[in-house]
Amino acid sequence: GQSLEQPSEVTAVEGAIVQINCTYQTSGFYGLSWYQQHDGGAPTFLSYNALDGLEETGRFSSFLSRSDSYGYLLLQELQMKDSASYFCAVRDRGGNTPLVFGKGTRLSVIA
Amino acid sequence: KAGVTQTPRYLIKTRGQQVTLSCSPISGHRSVSWYQQTPGQGLQFLFEYFSETQRNKGNFPGRFSGRQFSNSRSEMNVSTLELGDSALYLCASRTEETQYFGPGTRLLVL
Repeated sequence: GQSLEQPSEVTAVEGAIVQINCTYQTSGFYGLSWYQQHDGGAPTFLSYNALDGLEETGRFSSFLSRSDSYGYLLLQELQMKDSASYFCAVRDRGGNTPLVFGKGTRLSVIA
Repeated sequence: KAGVTQTPRYLIKTRGQQVTLSCSPISGHRSVSWYQQTPGQGLQFLFEYFSETQRNKGNFPGRFSGRQFSNSRSEMNVSTLELGDSALYLCASRTEETQYFGPGTRLLVL
């Protein structure tokens, strides 16, 4: 089976930088994804890491270390609209296996 | 392209009843996955259908079932509803590593 651990809540100040960590335990590994979900909305895809290193997309970056079974999502220049839940997710046995999600980190951005 | 659509958006049922939820994937997508989302448990995988066949199944009781039609539309059914089935039910279609979620059906069981 798989398990993913991420903090349940994080609070950060507008304009600051925040890092949301995710550690995973899987029998295999086929990439780490991140999704954002605003209250009342559907999860939306943010990023995907299959290989070690940093992937940058605008204000958001995602990092993966396969040897440490660890990844993080970095949000820079925080805006109030970034207040949402963030989920890490993995597939452990290849592209046709289900995407398994962590329980999510609720990010609150304060002024 | 239109996104993933789900109907109905909201549903209230009583214990013991059954319910059918519908999902239409993005045009051209052949995979549909279903998830149950609750505040305490996050997103839990129910099952995935691909080309009308169940390709993966999560750890849910047999009261939860699904199917997929030749046009890739999918339905999930929950029989003998329990209070604990109250949740947001999300479906998603995918390309490679990106899953596209629908808005969900919020089910309340009284």
